[in-house]
Amino acid sequence: LAKTTQPISMDSYEGQEVNITCSHNNIATNDYITWYQQFPSQGPRFIIQGYKTKVTNEVASLFIPADRKSSTLSLPRVSLSDTAVYYCLAVGTGRRALTFGSGTRLQVQP
Amino acid sequence: SAVISQKPSRDICQRGTSLTIQCQVDSQVTMMFWYRQQPGQSLTLIATANQGSEATYESGFVIDKFPISRPNLTFSTLTVSNMSPEDSSIYLCSVDETQETQYFGPGTRLLVL
Repeated sequence: LAKTTQPISMDSYEGQEVNITCSHNNIATNDYITWYQQFPSQGPRFIIQGYKTKVTNEVASLFIPADRKSSTLSLPRVSLSDTAVYYCLAVGTGRRALTFGSGTRLQVQP
Repeated sequence: SAVISQKPSRDICQRGTSLTIQCQVDSQVTMMFWYRQQPGQSLTLIATANQGSEATYESGFVIDKFPISRPNLTFSTLTVSNMSPEDSSIYLCSVDETQETQYFGPGTRLLVL
């Protein structure tokens, strides 16, 4: 299983762009990079997934360089409601259960 | 996306007792997963529940402590047996609609005194 490493915590202010970088040096060829968001007292929620280059949806963008050893989740113009823990996972088609790392606790200030 | 509900949402239990947590999905799914999240920590997979077969447990989790049932494709239960304060956690079930993405229930917050 590919181990992911991400910052323990980050602080930001409303309206700023937040970039959370995840390191996954041993990612397998068939692994997808997947990000989940977890608010207090709730289960994790799928945000975005990608294999390489750039993926964008209504919530975030995900940048994965050609070597796939790292990835960056970009949250445009964060608001207070984006305060949450963000988990980066390497998800392979061979194993359907998820392995969560420690996550990044994002605190957005007014 | 699948809608998942869990019962109870929270409970306070005495040590030595057992609690059964229910997980209901609004659509048929092949695999269901049970996770534990201890206070301030990340999620840890307990087991994978397949319909019609025994659950597959992760290292450190055993069937005697966490028996699981999966009677059909929309329902599963996790029992936390002979509880101790160390079992105080949030217990979450999840399902995967695709192989790469999972949907989680709201969790069951358990406090053991």
